[in-house]
Amino acid sequence: EVQLVQSGAEVKKSGESLKISCKSSGYSFTSYWIAWVRQMPGKGLEWMGILHPGDSDIRYSPSFQGQVTISVDESITTAFLQWSSLQASDTARYYCARRSGNSGYHFDYWGQGTLVTVSS
Amino acid sequence: SYELTQPPSVSVSPGQTARITCSGDALTKQYAYWYQQKPGQAPVVVIYMDTERPSGIPERFSGSSSGTTVTLTISGVQAEDEADYYCHSADSSGTDHVFGTGTKVTVL
Repeated sequence: EVQLVQSGAEVKKSGESLKISCKSSGYSFTSYWIAWVRQMPGKGLEWMGILHPGDSDIRYSPSFQGQVTISVDESITTAFLQWSSLQASDTARYYCARRSGNSGYHFDYWGQGTLVTVSS
Repeated sequence: SYELTQPPSVSVSPGQTARITCSGDALTKQYAYWYQQKPGQAPVVVIYMDTERPSGIPERFSGSSSGTTVTLTISGVQAEDEADYYCHSADSSGTDHVFGTGTKVTVL
C-alpha cells in the first residue's frame, strides 16, 4: 500500500527555522517525483516545488524559489521541506504528494498534511 | 508560469448536474487534472488526463476539454459531493505545475 506520512503539527515563532518531513512507503521511492503543496488558511492549493529522489533533481515554483529548501534522504525514503527563517505568512498546511508515474502528471497519493503555525 | 481560472462557487440541487470550468492558455497543449478536497482532508484526484477517472471514483464524475477550457461534470450530484474542487496542469516535462483557483461546490 502506497503511503506518504508527514511529520506532526508545528508551532513556531517568526525568525525560527523548521524542517518538516514526508516519509514514503509501499512503492519504489526513487522512481517517482514528490511535490510540496501549500494551503494557507481558507485558501487554495499552491504548488511549491518538486523533486526526484532518484537523482535529487529539484525544481521550484518561482513564487517559492529562495523562500524554502526541498531535500531528500533516499536512505530513509523521506522528503523534506525547510525554512531558515519563518514568517507569520508561512502559516499554512503543507502537503507532500507523489506525481503519477505513467499516466499523466497528476498527484496520485498525498500525505495527510502538516500544519505549521508561525506567531509573530 | 501560467494561470488556471475557475469560478469561485457553483451551487446545485441534489440530483442535478454541476459543471465546473477551468480556463488557461496552457490547456490547449497540456492535460488537466481535477481534485476534490473536503474540509480537513487532503485532496483526492477525481479526473486525470482530461477525461480519465481513477478506480474508485464514481461514474458521475467526468471530464472534458475544448480549447483553453476544461470542464469537470458531476452528474446526479449527491450531498457527499459538496467540497472544493481544483484543476491542475503541468508543463510537458511535468516539473512545472499550477493549480486552479478552486471552486466551492454547494449542494442545496
